[in-house]
Amino acid sequence: QVQLQESGPGLVKPSQTLSLTCSVSGGSITNRNYYWSWIRQPAGKGLEWIGRIFTTESTIYNPSLRNRVTISVDTSKNQFSLNLSSVTAADTAVYYCARGTIFDPFDPWGQGTLVTVSS
Amino acid sequence: QSVLTQPPSVSGAPGQRITISCTGSSSNIGANYDVQWYRQVPGTAPKVVISNNNNRPSGVPDRFSGSKSGTSASLAITGLQADDEADYYCQSFDSSLNSWVFGGGTKLTVL
Repeated sequence: QVQLQESGPGLVKPSQTLSLTCSVSGGSITNRNYYWSWIRQPAGKGLEWIGRIFTTESTIYNPSLRNRVTISVDTSKNQFSLNLSSVTAADTAVYYCARGTIFDPFDPWGQGTLVTVSS
Repeated sequence: QSVLTQPPSVSGAPGQRITISCTGSSSNIGANYDVQWYRQVPGTAPKVVISNNNNRPSGVPDRFSGSKSGTSASLAITGLQADDEADYYCQSFDSSLNSWVFGGGTKLTVL
């Protein structure tokens, strides 16, 4: 059974880069049947898809974040990562990683990690 | 402003039937991309209750059902129970944005 776990700093200063890692267990991140996505949720608000990576190089990003987002994979550690640059308070949210395909739901999800942008 | 539109809230008494609508457009639901439904209890990650328009994952009660028509989809819950209280989100893919998109979420209150 595949499980995902987010990790990274819980506090990031404005204008800096938010960096998170999602560790995948119980399955290989190189499985070509799946995409690996990042999704976020500001407190009290809805879900926003950030982007996804397929295998080691194919990425798609939310157009609203495209200029600031990079998603990468470390196959040796079975992990994928999110970098979001030039953060502001509006980027404060719970960040989730999740597995999915274009045809199927996001499943499973990590438990989520709260990132606060504040000086 | 979410690409998929849901009512902010719905409510019903125990035992009743409720529906939650999800309205999209010709570039997502209307383009024949499947709709997924998630249930989220505050403080926890979303979980799938309906996949691919109308399929119930293992473990989801048959009180939950989904449908899709044109540019809209619906989630129905019959025999409403207190622990159905949660936030519900629809999700699909949008070909114009080349992005996965979510509805704004609907808070279900069991009276």
